[in-house]
Amino acid sequence: DAMVIQNPRYQVTQFGKPVTLSCSQTLNHNVMYWYQQKSSQAPKLLFHYYDKDFNNEADTPDNFQSRRPNTSFCFLDIRSPGLGDAAMYLCATSKGQGNEQFFGPGTRLTVL
Amino acid sequence: QQQVKQSPQSLIVQKGGISIINCAYENTAFDYFPWYQQFPGKGPALLIAIRPDVSEKKEGRFTISFNKSAKQFSLHIMDSQPGDSATYFCAARKGGYNKLIFGAGTRLAVHP
Repeated sequence: DAMVIQNPRYQVTQFGKPVTLSCSQTLNHNVMYWYQQKSSQAPKLLFHYYDKDFNNEADTPDNFQSRRPNTSFCFLDIRSPGLGDAAMYLCATSKGQGNEQFFGPGTRLTVL
Repeated sequence: QQQVKQSPQSLIVQKGGISIINCAYENTAFDYFPWYQQFPGKGPALLIAIRPDVSEKKEGRFTISFNKSAKQFSLHIMDSQPGDSATYFCAARKGGYNKLIFGAGTRLAVHP
């Protein structure tokens, strides 16, 4: 089945230790998104790629970076995680602009 | 203007009853209104969506009612089942854009 895959599903890191979350997709969608979802809150868009074009949200901290080496893969890098960055990180994809977004299962990040 | 206000925050319904969740928006540039269902530990999944040129859309037990003049839309779940227990998010998106603006979510519990 075509899908959005996130690895790992659970990630524990230490305060200030860089961490990378991974997303891959078999849908061949050209748009990929990263959302942050804190407990009992709505998903909040951090940034997205439209093909190779990176689109950062104005309120996304510089601590969050992203890479998209090819159509299928997208990475979220957190350079110096703080306790406030503990959350579920959701990857999503869509085909073109303005179409349905398909979400992955998420990676739950814990910061010790 | 960018907000989507969702209510109630939580909802308890008896099996077989009707669950109703409401959302309101201000930005008239929004032209796509999806509802997402999220189970604990999973990513959101698109449930049903509507565009403002129709007042109602029904898919099985799920119905969206849309009131363009009032800038409100709602999700009705008929014959609610315990398996419907999840968090429901309404969202909105401006035409030609990728960014979804999510409501705060409603935690639905359907009791047997």
